Amino acid sequence: AQSVSQHNHHVILSEAASLELGCNYSYGGTVNLFWYVQYPGQHLQLLLKYFSGDPLVKGIKGFEAEFIKSKFSFNLRKPSVQWSDTAEYFCAARRGDTGRRALTFGSGTRLQVQP
Amino acid sequence: NAGVTQTPKFQVLKTGQSMTLQCAQDMNHEYMSWYRQDPGMGLRLIHYSVGAGITDQGEVPNGYNVSRSTTEDFPLRLLSAAPSQTSVYFCASRRAGIPGSPDTQYFGPGTRLTVL
Repeated sequence: AQSVSQHNHHVILSEAASLELGCNYSYGGTVNLFWYVQYPGQHLQLLLKYFSGDPLVKGIKGFEAEFIKSKFSFNLRKPSVQWSDTAEYFCAARRGDTGRRALTFGSGTRLQVQP
Repeated sequence: NAGVTQTPKFQVLKTGQSMTLQCAQDMNHEYMSWYRQDPGMGLRLIHYSVGAGITDQGEVPNGYNVSRSTTEDFPLRLLSAAPSQTSVYFCASRRAGIPGSPDTQYFGPGTRLTVL
């Protein structure tokens, strides 16, 4: 079965620091990849997604992610975080070659940005 | 469009009680899913549906039933609630497309359930 791993469970950064959150998936075929963000008390919102094409994907709020097929990775990055980026971040994957349409999520990374 | 709506937002049950979590979407999406979110475990798929009359089990289906009689609604039933079902439940939907099509999954606001 497909799995998604997020190895950083809790990250604490100061404002203006650079961010990189790791995400690895296990499926070797065609895969669709997503990063979602959940702000405190709110539901999940899509940050960015990768389906095909340019492996460097730019999303909302200055976030980007790079798909590296050889490493089965889809790490999320932001050059300079803000206090408002404090949230929980989830990586998710879906097989791109089957009829299954539900996502497999990682366990999440809680980001705390200190002013 | 209201998007994906869920009711109730909060619910407290006693062990053994039954209840139904409601989920509706007005985007005419074929695919709908239920997830539960627990600390340190991310979101886990409970059940999903690829269209009216079609449902299938996800990763953690035990203790939950679903049905999909209409495109719009996808209720989740707990027949006999247990403390292990204390969680936040999210419903999601997306439209069908060719495999790999860049369709976004939309999430509802969630239902926070506590089972005593």
